[in-house]
Amino acid sequence: DQQVKQNSPSLSVQEGRISILNCDYTNSMFDYFLWYKKYPAEGPTFLISISSIKDKNEDGRFTVFLNKSAKHLSLHIVPSQPGDSAVYFCAARLNNNDMRFGAGTRLTVKP
Amino acid sequence: DTEVTQTPKHLVMGMTNKKSLKCEQHMGHRAMYWYKQKAKKPPELMFVYSYEKLSINESVPSRFSPECPNSSLLNLHLHALQPEDSALYLCASSPYLDTGELFFGEGSRLTVL
Repeated sequence: DQQVKQNSPSLSVQEGRISILNCDYTNSMFDYFLWYKKYPAEGPTFLISISSIKDKNEDGRFTVFLNKSAKHLSLHIVPSQPGDSAVYFCAARLNNNDMRFGAGTRLTVKP
Repeated sequence: DTEVTQTPKHLVMGMTNKKSLKCEQHMGHRAMYWYKQKAKKPPELMFVYSYEKLSINESVPSRFSPECPNSSLLNLHLHALQPEDSALYLCASSPYLDTGELFFGEGSRLTVL
């Protein structure tokens, strides 16, 4: 039962443009949503999060949007930089510290 | 110290061996996790320890045995594994009941022959 879904396995954008990564979920009990970034041979690193009671959170070039009615969240990166090239995981947390991950989207930012 | 340290980084074992994976953090986090990740798949939750007590066990086979000796250490004991258990095993920690941010180690890559 995959409760967190990232339907795009890969995304390629030009440097300086906007990257939009999408995520859908099925469990309305998730209380926090998070994005993690993963480089090869490293563990995932936390990028940005949003509480289920908010609809937007911004941190520098990164903004996460949450649409609870659609059970959808997205990560916007603007402007995209070549160093942003990595696998991005969407994750969602239940209130008992149970954290579920999506399959990941590989972002490639071309110079 | 904002690191989660996992050892060993690589482990090759036979199906009859007994080995352990270790994880350590000194951030005072009270929740610690084991995840399993196969190639091109998301990390799959195996176990969660909260305040040194096992709080979540995702129906993991008994050939995987977790242990939390103290608030800084988390072990995963391995015995009689199968080749399909070969994967990257990720340890993570989290401030309890916080935003849910997990701090991951680099992982232990396990190969079962």
